[in-house]
Amino acid sequence: GAGVSQTPSNKVTEKGKYVELRCDPISGHTALYWYRQSLGQGPEFLIYFQGTGAADDSGLPNDRFFAVRPEGSVSTLKIQRTERGDSAVYLCASSRDRVDGYTFGSGTRLTVV
Amino acid sequence: AQSVAQPEDQVNVAEGNPLTVKCTYSVSGNPYLFWYVQYPNRGLQFLLKYITGDNLVKGSYGFEAEFNKSQTSFHLKKPSALVSDSALYFCAVRDTTGGFKTIFGAGTRLFVKA
Repeated sequence: GAGVSQTPSNKVTEKGKYVELRCDPISGHTALYWYRQSLGQGPEFLIYFQGTGAADDSGLPNDRFFAVRPEGSVSTLKIQRTERGDSAVYLCASSRDRVDGYTFGSGTRLTVV
Repeated sequence: AQSVAQPEDQVNVAEGNPLTVKCTYSVSGNPYLFWYVQYPNRGLQFLLKYITGDNLVKGSYGFEAEFNKSQTSFHLKKPSALVSDSALYFCAVRDTTGGFKTIFGAGTRLFVKA
């Protein structure tokens, strides 16, 4: 597609539930990134994929967070046993290579109640 | 570990005046440096980048940034501000020894008054 697409745009879930956030990157972009942004803060790195593999998952806060990119395009960020502190905007971005700027999606606003 | 500092939470400037948004960074290797802008209710947009070469780089919407290795800075500038430039600006750094991970600063809100 023309841009990075994230679905859903908004997600409200109850504490303890499981959620999946989807990212569809720009066609041909081999690198894909997940960030989360809390109000008044800059994006916080979570994980990046080069192709199908997670090249760096050092930003995932704990083992409740997991992400996959099985065919090297669409990625899903999965959060188990959600907590109120997980509430944030989850951003996905893609790029062609390591010197390229990122193209961000519009984000998924996750609210855990 | 790489890090980015944006020392000003907010910058206020009158329309038509020059603007500067400050950024300093820390990396163990050589840096790739970026500026992004976030308009209200819109996603983050790439503005410009420094990879190598000329220290002054030009980007979208008339913005430019100057890389200063000795001061480890990458300040964003524009000769004449517009009201429509009012937005949240993020500086970001990628360590060339560390792969693709990019670290973002906390952001600086630019307010341009007519």
